[in-house]
Amino acid sequence: DAGITQSPRHKVTETGTPVTLRCHQTENHRYMYWYRQDPGHGLRLIHYSYGVKDTDKGEVSDGYSVSRSKTEDFLLTLESATSSQTSVYFCAISESLGALAKNIQYFGAGTRLSVL
Amino acid sequence: KNEVEQSPQNLTAQEGEFITINCSYSVGISALHWLQQHPGGGIVSLFMLSSGKKKHGRLIATINIQEKHSSLHITASHPRDSAVYICAILPLSSSGSARQLTFGSGTQLTVLP
Repeated sequence: DAGITQSPRHKVTETGTPVTLRCHQTENHRYMYWYRQDPGHGLRLIHYSYGVKDTDKGEVSDGYSVSRSKTEDFLLTLESATSSQTSVYFCAISESLGALAKNIQYFGAGTRLSVL
Repeated sequence: KNEVEQSPQNLTAQEGEFITINCSYSVGISALHWLQQHPGGGIVSLFMLSSGKKKHGRLIATINIQEKHSSLHITASHPRDSAVYICAILPLSSSGSARQLTFGSGTQLTVLP
């Protein structure tokens, strides 16, 4: 298994509170991703990172921010949690190496977040 | 319309049956991935295809680039194959510093003993 740890694994919080989810990798992969998974939807990309301090928005980035101060850590912050952000969040890593790469991704175990 | 459509959404089979899960997509791609999500939530990559067919144990994945279609087959299915199977594409148009996958919504497979 790829060395990816997500924390916490489960969290219940109240509307309006800030929440930070952590993804830690031991593979030294350059690329890291945050997805959310909701019933009836495929995994949807929130933000991704292509290096330390280099991040970009994905498909569903509103209400989320990210930071990557070290290669191994990628943090996802919900600035003011809303009930619509109740979801399962997955972190993934990859060694996408340009145009010839096929972007094989390795996933963490997920964080189940409930916003009440 | 989603770029990636999987069928069926749910599938129940008896142990030993041959299973087929389908994935259709609407854009040009450079690769297609099949992933498995275990009942506990963990997601693992099964195959990455850009043409032809790949086989791993009882799992076979095929792709037809011209028809924009891929299938995942499971031979001699077993209850431990019960999981969600997810198709994902890497579109040719994917841009940005990291080329991004587009995921289907998954097929829930249940294999009964």
